[in-house]
Amino acid sequence: GAVVSQHPSWVICKSGTSVKIECRSLDFQATTMFWYRQFPKQSLMLMATSNEGSKATYEQGVEKDKFLINHASLTLSTLTVTSAHPEDSSFYICSSWTEESAETQYFGPGTRLLVL
Amino acid sequence: GEDVEQSLFLSVREGDSSVINCTYTDSSSTYLYWYKQEPGAGLQLLTYIFSNMDMKQDQRLTVLLNKKDKHLSLRIADTQTGDSAIYFCALVYNTDKLIFGTGTRLQVFP
Repeated sequence: GAVVSQHPSWVICKSGTSVKIECRSLDFQATTMFWYRQFPKQSLMLMATSNEGSKATYEQGVEKDKFLINHASLTLSTLTVTSAHPEDSSFYICSSWTEESAETQYFGPGTRLLVL
Repeated sequence: GEDVEQSLFLSVREGDSSVINCTYTDSSSTYLYWYKQEPGAGLQLLTYIFSNMDMKQDQRLTVLLNKKDKHLSLRIADTQTGDSAIYFCALVYNTDKLIFGTGTRLQVFP
């Protein structure tokens, strides 16, 4: 099946710093990618939809200035958590539909962020 | 908005069948999905069902869809310890966005 990768898999940072997370589609082109956040023992919550070559669309309650999304190519979307705080500590997962399989969405392995 | 609910926890003995349930409020999703998440890992697509189907079987997995009651279930036959994980149902809304259920933690004991 289609492969979506994320980098880094783990990141620990100090409060106030910014962290960039990459999401790559390895064997397909992704015009649209999705970013989710999962707090411990909770479900995944959609944060935003990343659109190649245009602005991301954010879900209600998600601060666009805090979670910057860039989708500059058909295989790469980045999520930057700006001025991270401990409450931003979470598991961030990206996903994408593929051209071949319009019925299924493939997920990256996730990035665990810990802000100290 | 859409609500997708699951029971929080299920415990079964190895070799028994597991049934994980999911209820939802919006029935417009064309496909309904089951994902598995092991500790600290991403999501693995297990199976999915088209909304005009009532049942789909895939090896040890059986998905049942009751559209009238807005109820989706996943049955795992001959449950193994390796099946211990969190299971999420998911539906599509707004054409291409997934909304996930609350998740069911399955624990399999010997």
